[in-house]
Amino acid sequence: DAGITQSPRYKITETGRQVTLMCHQTWSHSYMFWYRQDLGHGLRLIYYSAAADITDKGEVPDGYVVSRSKTENFPLTLESATRSQTSVYFCASSQTFGGSYNEQFFGPGTRLTVL
Amino acid sequence: RKEVEQDPGPFNVPEGATVAFNCTYSNSASQSFFWYRQDCRKEPKLLMSVYSSGNEDGRFTAQLNRASQYISLLIRDSKLSDSATYLCVVTNQAGTALIFGKGTTLSVSS
Repeated sequence: DAGITQSPRYKITETGRQVTLMCHQTWSHSYMFWYRQDLGHGLRLIYYSAAADITDKGEVPDGYVVSRSKTENFPLTLESATRSQTSVYFCASSQTFGGSYNEQFFGPGTRLTVL
Repeated sequence: RKEVEQDPGPFNVPEGATVAFNCTYSNSASQSFFWYRQDCRKEPKLLMSVYSSGNEDGRFTAQLNRASQYISLLIRDSKLSDSATYLCVVTNQAGTALIFGKGTTLSVSS
């Protein structure tokens, strides 16, 4: 089905482990984004990408790594997970960015728990 | 001052009520404004963009006051299905990212 998917949907890991969250979209959108959502903070941008091989930091990038070798995929890696990275992670995509016509479409989210 | 601030909520209203949410943003250079809706444990979805002239979509009306850096959302004739968290969203100064408010929770009861 067309759309934006995330995997896994739920993940429990331990402190210090490397974890990769996957995001895949079938619309060929140029822009892709990773957010985390925590109680008391709302959605915060971790990284974004304007196109394949172009990525940039958002508000809270520390401890995360991204890559974008293909337009449709935008994986997020926690190099050494910490308890503070327990959160719900949302991936999003949009065809354009800027102006009033830049609706971002969100994936269903990944609930990550770091023990 | 936080970049986007919203009414803390929650708002508990009966069906058929009119309810208004307010939002203020700190960056006068923000160019684009939106309301997103998020159902419990689900992903956010665009409800509507907000234009300087104000805009309406069925029972929903959004207003923007650039001088006061204030955004509002009015919901008329509330339905049970309107129960959700409403997120006020603006673009950052560089226009490279969306800044989300923490959201206001609405609960509509019968």
